[in-house]
Amino acid sequence: DGGITQSPKYLFRKEGQNVTLSCEQNLNHDAMYWYRQDPGQGLRLIYYSQIVNDFQKGDIAEGYSVSREKKESFPLTVTSAQKNPTAFYLCASSIIGMYGEAFFGQGTRLTVV
Amino acid sequence: AQTVTQSQPEMSVQEAETVTLSCTYDTSESDYYLFWYKQPPSRQMILVIRQEAYKQQNATENRFSVNFQKAAKSFSLKISDSQLGDAAMYFCAYRSTGTYKYIFGTGTRLKVLA
Repeated sequence: DGGITQSPKYLFRKEGQNVTLSCEQNLNHDAMYWYRQDPGQGLRLIYYSQIVNDFQKGDIAEGYSVSREKKESFPLTVTSAQKNPTAFYLCASSIIGMYGEAFFGQGTRLTVV
Repeated sequence: AQTVTQSQPEMSVQEAETVTLSCTYDTSESDYYLFWYKQPPSRQMILVIRQEAYKQQNATENRFSVNFQKAAKSFSLKISDSQLGDAAMYFCAYRSTGTYKYIFGTGTRLKVLA
């Protein structure tokens, strides 16, 4: 089955630690995205990538980093510089072209303890 | 920069009735895509309906239809014959044809009353 897989589903991090969220897709999509979801704020774009080895900052990139070494993979690292990392993180992918709706993974809930 | 506004944080509808969720957006682009996504308690984002800005005809998918008013930059979602399974968060989204970024509104929580 084609789709987007995010792992883990739940993640706990101690303050001051970096943590990496995994996102893999087998849809052969060119573009991939990371969103953060907080109550009452909708989905806010962290980073996005349209092609391998290239990515752009979204609206809330501070404290986050990404890489796009393979078309299928777009991991997100939440660094210790992110002041309020507890949130629900969604990864998405899309084709570049017509009817290019975004397809989403099931999300990762990150909690700082 | 483009923005998407959903002014109704929460809506309620009786089962089998019709409800309309509002969405407005701001852009200087002439070509773009608009979407409505549903997020049930599982938090999986599900595409409900899409609209291409160059199409004048409003999109329809079974019980879901949109009222797309390009000049007014309005994109409302109508749900007919509401069902209990329609209860969810609904997000309006805009996609630029230039940057391929998706911009989301803050969402409307829909409650369906039995």
